[in-house]
Amino acid sequence: NAGVTQTPKFQVLKTGQSMTLQCAQDMNHEYMSWYRQDPGMGLRLIHYSVGAGITDQGEVPNGYNVSRSTTEDFPLRLLSAAPSQTSVYFCASRGWTTDTQYFGPGTRLTVL
Amino acid sequence: GQQVMQIPQYQHVQEGEDFTTYCNSSTTLSNIQWYKQRPGGHPVFLIQLVKSGEVKKQKRLTFQFGEAKKNSSLHITATQTTDVGTYFCAGRRAGNNRKLIWGLGTSLAVNP
Repeated sequence: NAGVTQTPKFQVLKTGQSMTLQCAQDMNHEYMSWYRQDPGMGLRLIHYSVGAGITDQGEVPNGYNVSRSTTEDFPLRLLSAAPSQTSVYFCASRGWTTDTQYFGPGTRLTVL
Repeated sequence: GQQVMQIPQYQHVQEGEDFTTYCNSSTTLSNIQWYKQRPGGHPVFLIQLVKSGEVKKQKRLTFQFGEAKKNSSLHITATQTTDVGTYFCAGRRAGNNRKLIWGLGTSLAVNP
């Protein structure tokens, strides 16, 4: 099993550009989520999904969209990148019967 | 706002010294998890505590969950350079709003 994979690992954007961060898991987990990590701020939940076709907002959803068309994939879209979105983004997944989250390696995003 | 306080924020120790980080919640938790994040890496699950007063050990690491299920601690005996990283707690709220709340983490540096 590859676990949780994320692409790209690094990305530099200009203000106003859009892009999609990819996340995939091969553990057949129902629950997937996106976090951003900033110095001194810990992990903050952006969006999450409890299954294919179902998504909901976390605590910092503004400027981001998600969709969940399959169990495996949970892409995060930045609609119009802003410097405040410079961060490290982690995707995580877990099954229904456990609270253990498995994190991907992260995407380091810089918005100029 | 932040409802799981994690202290200290940073800790420098000499190799061989002990280390403890604490998490305190303003609300009762149904469980608490601990994760470790190495520098440049992603959070990795360490353990989950569920029962009041529970104590679990993993080699040199000892995890405790308070009797009131509002606080927890992670103690490392005789630190090694491999213990370097940031340790996060994440508490699952008890009751109807079962939100997962992350502490801001304790960064541990170990001088050889």
